[in-house]
Amino acid sequence: NAGVTQTPKFRILKIGQSMTLQCTQDMNHNYMYWYRQDPGMGLKLIYYSVGAGITDKGEVPNGYNVSRSTTEDFPLRLELAAPSQTSVYFCASSRTGDRQETQYFGPGTRLLVL
Amino acid sequence: AQKVTQAQTEISVVEKEDVTLDCVYETRDTTYYLFWYKQPPSGELVFLIRRNSFDEQNEISGRYSWNFQKSTSSFNFTITASQVVDSAVYFCALILTLTGGGNKLTFGTGTQLKVEL
Repeated sequence: NAGVTQTPKFRILKIGQSMTLQCTQDMNHNYMYWYRQDPGMGLKLIYYSVGAGITDKGEVPNGYNVSRSTTEDFPLRLELAAPSQTSVYFCASSRTGDRQETQYFGPGTRLLVL
Repeated sequence: AQKVTQAQTEISVVEKEDVTLDCVYETRDTTYYLFWYKQPPSGELVFLIRRNSFDEQNEISGRYSWNFQKSTSSFNFTITASQVVDSAVYFCALILTLTGGGNKLTFGTGTQLKVEL
């Protein structure tokens, strides 16, 4: 059981480039989330999805886009990368939207924008 | 507004010492859930425990124990007989239900625990 997987593990981007961070879960979870973790800080929610075809903004969505065409996949797209997007990106999933549901995290993608 | 405060930025202990990580939270919800996650040097986030607001029984799991006190809005985490493998950043988090139906974890800034020989 792989859980939540993310690719790539690490990437260096030049300012203005774009890329897609991949996230896949094999637990048949309906809810998926993207967080970013800046150095010395906790995680902040970028976008989330409550099911295939449904996405919504979190607290720091600017500069990002998402899509959810399948239950398993929830890619995060960065357009026109900026140094402020240098961060570690975590994807998470939960079985339902109930508050007691644990969110399980992927291993993270470290992104450096130069 | 929700907020989680972990006032201890970094703690260093010698192996076999007991160590307590503090967590103080703020929420307007009458029912809420608190979580602890561990982030080892490898970087992944590992779920440790979940606690709901209407169950103030403290919990022990092996060398780990959690002390939840609603009166002081605290959810502290103790490691007994610490080991080098416990070295990690520990995050306390509070769940918030979003208008779109999902949930957001509000994280504290984490406590870096270093256990030395």
